[in-house]
Amino acid sequence: SQTIHQWPATLVQPVGSPLSLECTVEGTSNPNLYWYRQAAGRGLQLLFYSVGIGQISSEVPQNLSASRPQDRQFILSSKKLLLSDSGFYLCALVRGDEAFFGQGTRLTVV
Amino acid sequence: KQEVTQIPAALSVPEGENLVLNCSFTDSAIYNLQWFRQDPGKGLTSLLLIQSSQREQTSGRLNASLDKSSGRSTLYIAASQPGDSATYLCAARIKSSNTGKLIFGQGTTLQVKP
Repeated sequence: SQTIHQWPATLVQPVGSPLSLECTVEGTSNPNLYWYRQAAGRGLQLLFYSVGIGQISSEVPQNLSASRPQDRQFILSSKKLLLSDSGFYLCALVRGDEAFFGQGTRLTVV
Repeated sequence: KQEVTQIPAALSVPEGENLVLNCSFTDSAIYNLQWFRQDPGKGLTSLLLIQSSQREQTSGRLNASLDKSSGRSTLYIAASQPGDSATYLCAARIKSSNTGKLIFGQGTTLQVKP
């Protein structure tokens, strides 16, 4: 079965600082990968998805970017964080028809 | 535009009760519907997946139903236990997109009291 690793688990960053969140998967090859954000009081929102190396699609305009340098690695980045970037970031993959999620990264921008 | 709504937002029941969580969606053209459990500060754990052609799925004390025509899904939890306390999320995979995108409800936070 597949495993999704996310790190760090928690992160506190000042406004204007850069960001790099990493997601790696095991137990599957050529997965579709996703970044979701769960903001306080709001549901999960899809930010980016990737169907392969170097292939990134953005769902919503924002201050963040994503990259997929390797088949099983998906990175969420920002050059300058905003307060509104605070939230719980979840990496996911779809295997067959079912979606699976990592344990998430809690980002607080101060 | 697909919207997913979950009612109630919060629910508190005594241990042993059977309970039903509701999920409604506005566009019946879904590919499938998935129920998740989320413990505080944790990721999502997949509970049940119902394909659009199916009526229900069962796993242990959990039973999920799907009625596409009415735009509704329910998650039935039998003989609830304190360990069932968590937030339950439903998500619809929209048919019009081949991205695998899920549209989530806001969740129902369940507390089962011993």
